Amino acid sequence: DTEVTQTPKHLVMGMTNKKSLKCEQHMGHRAMYWYKQKAKKPPELMFVYSYEKLSINESVPSRFSPECPNSSLLNLHLHALQPEDSALYLCASSGGRATNEKLFFGSGTQLSVL
Amino acid sequence: RKEVEQDPGPFNVPEGATVAFNCTYSNSASQSFFWYRQDCRKEPKLLMSVYSSGNEDGRFTAQLNRASQYISLLIRDSKLSDSATYLCVVLYGNNRLAFGKGNQVVVIP
Repeated sequence: DTEVTQTPKHLVMGMTNKKSLKCEQHMGHRAMYWYKQKAKKPPELMFVYSYEKLSINESVPSRFSPECPNSSLLNLHLHALQPEDSALYLCASSGGRATNEKLFFGSGTQLSVL
Repeated sequence: RKEVEQDPGPFNVPEGATVAFNCTYSNSASQSFFWYRQDCRKEPKLLMSVYSSGNEDGRFTAQLNRASQYISLLIRDSKLSDSATYLCVVLYGNNRLAFGKGNQVVVIP
């Protein structure tokens, strides 16, 4: 199983809503990531969890709150977002025995903030 | 200077032709290098890792030049299905990856 699963695939939310993005992998990877990608731009790193601990926070606004309940799951809690936060949010994982540092991406959540 | 630089293009390539592009990186301590392919509104997918000795996977050839700090990707006999953005990705320490802006390839019938 070489898959990273993200839900939902699409999300529309108002600026006062609270929602969560979910990510799951069963490859035994030790690192999990959240990226944000705007159209025609490369992915921008938001957070990295390594062995279930937050290791990198790229100065992301507090309206984005990551959570890693266990080694297979990664959540991103959203609250009071702005329209400019509309983007494709990608989860990724890396660091299994066979895959080493290669990054495997989920299919992403296309988020629209109204 | 950006960590990873790519010419975004687009690279318009006749079907069956060969196309090649480079990606330069700024940090000489970079550890690993990858090419990812991304289709419009889809996630990036690993195309190939790049090794010092160069490596080939079918019609795709990747090269690494550590002295000049660049990697390259060559696509032979281009197919319409090769149309995509090719992202250069460089791994530093501590699980930190740097992405280039991508090379957009459009294969023309």
